[in-house]
Amino acid sequence: DAGVTQSPTHLIKTRGQHVTLRCSPISGHKSVSWYQQVLGQGPQFIFQYYEKEERGRGNFPDRFSARQFPNYSSELNVNALLLGDSALYLCASSSVRDRGRETQYFGPGTRLLVL
Amino acid sequence: QKEVEQNSGPLSVPEGAIASLNCTYSDRGSQSFFWYRQYSGKSPELIMSIYSNGDKEDGRFTAQLNKASQYVSLLIRDSQPSDSATYLCASTRGGFQKLVFGTGTRLLVSP
Repeated sequence: DAGVTQSPTHLIKTRGQHVTLRCSPISGHKSVSWYQQVLGQGPQFIFQYYEKEERGRGNFPDRFSARQFPNYSSELNVNALLLGDSALYLCASSSVRDRGRETQYFGPGTRLLVL
Repeated sequence: QKEVEQNSGPLSVPEGAIASLNCTYSDRGSQSFFWYRQYSGKSPELIMSIYSNGDKEDGRFTAQLNKASQYVSLLIRDSQPSDSATYLCASTRGGFQKLVFGTGTRLLVSP
């Protein structure tokens, strides 16, 4: 089975622009989470979606938004990009079957550079 | 105090030795614990998960959890140069909860 897929792999934007990152979960997984990882740090939680509903939001400004589609894929949108938004954006999917033992599997990430 | 703390390293061990990676956490509500391996420029890859106190072994890897001490560790036996990577410790409160990561420990295994 295919793992988590993300697109694009790399992206260069300028300050003030908008960006949309895409994620397709592992087949059968209904939950998608987004994380931001800056160099030298662990990933930081941005959003979690399950069955198209937002289940959690991290400490990120309203410039960050996301949604999940009926096929469980997801988009992360970032408006009014700042230099500090340069990071690796990770998508993780997880299964609903064992709710107490949810395990998140990461995609390859999208590396965003804001100039 | 960070929720999950790790020594950033680098931890240097010779090939064939045991590498010991440690992690402490502050949230007593944490129920599930994970070790991810991250090669430079790549995304995190799940190595081990552990939910109960004690040891859990998988091949060359052993995860240890002590909830009373709020301590998680990962032992890598017979370390190989290919084990050189950053190891991220993460916890969740269970269910569909966010992963909280440490900053990672960089491991260097020399031939």
